[in-house]
Amino acid sequence: DTAVSQTPKYLVTQMGNDKSIKCEQNLGHDTMYWYKQDSKKFLKIMFSYNNKELIINETVPNRFSPKSPDKAHLNLHINSLELGDSAVYFCASSHSLDTINQPQHFGDGTRLSIL
Amino acid sequence: QKEVEQDPGPLSVPEGAIVSLNCTYSNSAFQYFMWYRQYSRKGPELLMYTYSSGNKEDGRFTAQVDKSSKYISLFIRDSQPSDSATYLCAMSVYSGGGADGLTFGKGTHLIIQP
Repeated sequence: DTAVSQTPKYLVTQMGNDKSIKCEQNLGHDTMYWYKQDSKKFLKIMFSYNNKELIINETVPNRFSPKSPDKAHLNLHINSLELGDSAVYFCASSHSLDTINQPQHFGDGTRLSIL
Repeated sequence: QKEVEQDPGPLSVPEGAIVSLNCTYSNSAFQYFMWYRQYSRKGPELLMYTYSSGNKEDGRFTAQVDKSSKYISLFIRDSQPSDSATYLCAMSVYSGGGADGLTFGKGTHLIIQP
């Protein structure tokens, strides 16, 4: 069974559109994250959610909005897509914000291409 | 200066060699140190997880942390072609990532030549 799964794996769309990426984890974790990996392969935190509460928002444009219907899901909605949004978006989860020996587990990413 | 520095490579070594991968960091508050392996078109996969300074061994992999020098290393013994991947160091103030999440290096692209 896949621990952290994301859909879709690939997303090709035009500038200006609105799109969503879904993430689900079956690990029973309390905390979920979204990361962005740019063309230079640099992974950077975007959001974290703990028990459905947004913890941080790392200077991400407000066109990006995370939505968590329950603690097993954290979806990423993006409005008015721009060329610079092209990247790979990774979802991750961890047991909690601060538990010994409980690191983050990642999904396989969603490759977003803006035409 | 970025918080975590990592040479992107590529690093190419022959099969069976010992590989040394390194990261330096500037934030002395980091206490938890991880190495992730990422194959092409896949998500990062946790390899090693260590707390504070010292060594940790798991099979062919050894992770070293020197907090006084703000320097971490991953050694791979008896390297195999299947070890060819990008290796990302990551670190955090809190064990699960905490409110700040993980801070990653850029990753080193490793190629093991058969």
